[in-house]
Order: sequence, then structure tokens, then C-alpha cells
Amino acid sequence: DTAVSQTPKYLVTQMGNDKSIKCEQNLGHDTMYWYKQDSKKFLKIMFSYNNKELIINETVPNRFSPKSPDKAHLNLHINSLELGDSAVYFCASSPGQENTDTQYFGPGTRLTVL
Amino acid sequence: GNSVTQMEGPVTLSEEAFLTINCTYTATGYPSLFWYVQYPGEGLQLLLKATKADDKGSNKGFEATYRKETTSFHLEKGSVQVSDSAVYFCALGPLGKLIFGQGTELSVKP
Repeated sequence: DTAVSQTPKYLVTQMGNDKSIKCEQNLGHDTMYWYKQDSKKFLKIMFSYNNKELIINETVPNRFSPKSPDKAHLNLHINSLELGDSAVYFCASSPGQENTDTQYFGPGTRLTVL
Repeated sequence: GNSVTQMEGPVTLSEEAFLTINCTYTATGYPSLFWYVQYPGEGLQLLLKATKADDKGSNKGFEATYRKETTSFHLEKGSVQVSDSAVYFCALGPLGKLIFGQGTELSVKP
């Protein structure tokens, strides 16, 4: 059983389109995250949700809108895609928000904007 | 603010060589420290962690000690294998998020 799963694994699209990435965790965790990994492999947090509530929004453009329909799911919708959005997006989850909590990562979604 | 600095890669070693990847941090409060590994084409996996000063995390022959006096969390392994080839990330865990270093690519040759 995959603990944190994401779909799709690859996404190729044109500039200006709108796309969504889905994430599900079956670990029973309360907290979920989205991270962006750029072409130099640098990882930065975008959002975190705890029990479906937004906790962190790290100055991400408002073209990015996360949605958490329940504790097990955190989807990422991106409007008006730009070339600079090309990256690998990782979903993660953790039991809670304690600094000792381990975050478990999904396999990533490689987004390519043409 | 909080930040993590790792030694730059790529690091190329022969099989059975000793590995050290340096990691230093700047932090407020009492964060946890983590090492994650990313194998080619995969997501990140936790390698080890330490939650307070002087703790040693260890897993699969890797180890790292949380040193508050030198603000460091260096990763070591006594004898690397080809299968250890991956990108290694040091991360700081203050409440609610992980702050990553820039990653260090390790390539182990037979």
C-alpha cells in the first residue's frame, strides 16, 4: 500500500492552461503539505494544512490554490500556468505539526509547461 | 531566521570509501534535524533524524549527531555502496514545515 500517493506522475501542458494535482495519504495523519522542487533540486514549502485548515502559505502566487476536501486529501490547482511553474511538486504528510514529526513524501509530480 | 547549508556536490566516491556530507544550520528555538534521501526518479525518504541536542540518528549504516555548539548535523557512513548513489538533503524542522538545504548529490563508483 502506498502511504502518500500523487496523480498524475507526469503532467505536460501549455502556458496559460489550468491544471490540478491530486494527493492522498492513508497514514491517518492530520497534516499535509505541498513542496516545490526546482530544476536545481532545491525544495521549498508552499502550503500546509492541518485538519483541512490552511496553516502555512509561503508567499505563493494566488494562481496556486490548494484544496483539502478531507484530512486524507490535499489537491493543488494551478491557474494560468507559466513557464516558471515547471518543477517537481511533492505532497507530504505528518502526524501533526510538532517539530519532531516526520514528514512522509509522495513520489512527486513532474510538471512541464511549454 | 531558519536556514540550512550543505556542502556542494556532486561528491564522487569509490565503493567502500568513507562518506561525510557537511550540514550546518541557523535556527531559533529547538528544531529537529533530518536527513532525507532522494533516489533517482523517486520522492524523498527519511534517512534519519535527531530531535534534540547530542542526539544521534542512525539508519542503514548512516549516522549524524545533533551538535548545538557547532550548529551542525553532518552525515557519515563508514563504507558506501553503489546503491547509496542519490541526492541527500539536510533539513530543519521548526513547527509546521521543513526547511531544506540545497541537496548534495552522491555518486558511488564500483
